[in-house]
Amino acid sequence: QSALTQPPSASGSPGQSVTISCTGTSSDVGGYNSVSWYQQHPGKAPKLMISEVTKRPSGVPDRFSGSKSGNAASLTVSGLQAEDEADYYCGSYAGNNNFVFGTGTKVTVL
Amino acid sequence: QVQLQQSGPGLVRPSQTLSLTCVISGDSVSSNSAIWNWIRQSPSRGLEWLGRTYYTSNKWYSDNALSVKGRITVNPDTSKNQFSLQLNSVTPEDTAVYYCARGRMATGYDSWGQGTLVTVSS
Repeated sequence: QSALTQPPSASGSPGQSVTISCTGTSSDVGGYNSVSWYQQHPGKAPKLMISEVTKRPSGVPDRFSGSKSGNAASLTVSGLQAEDEADYYCGSYAGNNNFVFGTGTKVTVL
Repeated sequence: QVQLQQSGPGLVRPSQTLSLTCVISGDSVSSNSAIWNWIRQSPSRGLEWLGRTYYTSNKWYSDNALSVKGRITVNPDTSKNQFSLQLNSVTPEDTAVYYCARGRMATGYDSWGQGTLVTVSS
């Protein structure tokens, strides 16, 4: 199972928006509404930010939103803040009890 | 609020067995609504789901990724409310930060342990 494809980096100024893409196939992202997104700060464990494509777990700011179209999913961070600088990973159910993560995107707040 | 606390050695010799434990507080390893997972992260392989265990319909289940099939065991320990990972015949490619996590493939992993860096080296 191949990793989902994400851009290596993305950036934006404070207050701006940044969107991260996550491209898979019809066997994973396109086949299920089971995309999740994770934020990871250096030396820390990943934190779930988006579940089931669009759902925000309790405590996650509404500046974070998710969407999906075909075989690609996206995470948008609106109103960028300094603490949003981190690595972001997508993940998707891939059928047959398989789960695949994305390659990761480093978000820099300029 | 669930908390996961990992323990285990940080150095394992090649061909030996990697063993890690994850102690659960704020939830139960026997919960019918929770699934308990092991995930690892390395620069070469990225984030990789390894395996899981869960209890449903009065029975324990476990399954694992094809990449480690035949080498991995994920077991619950109800007496200590914890679960464990054993990975046999390790090679330097198994060097990674290992995480335990609660969650489902369909909805994501909502609670994570602190991570354990395991280095495979002689």
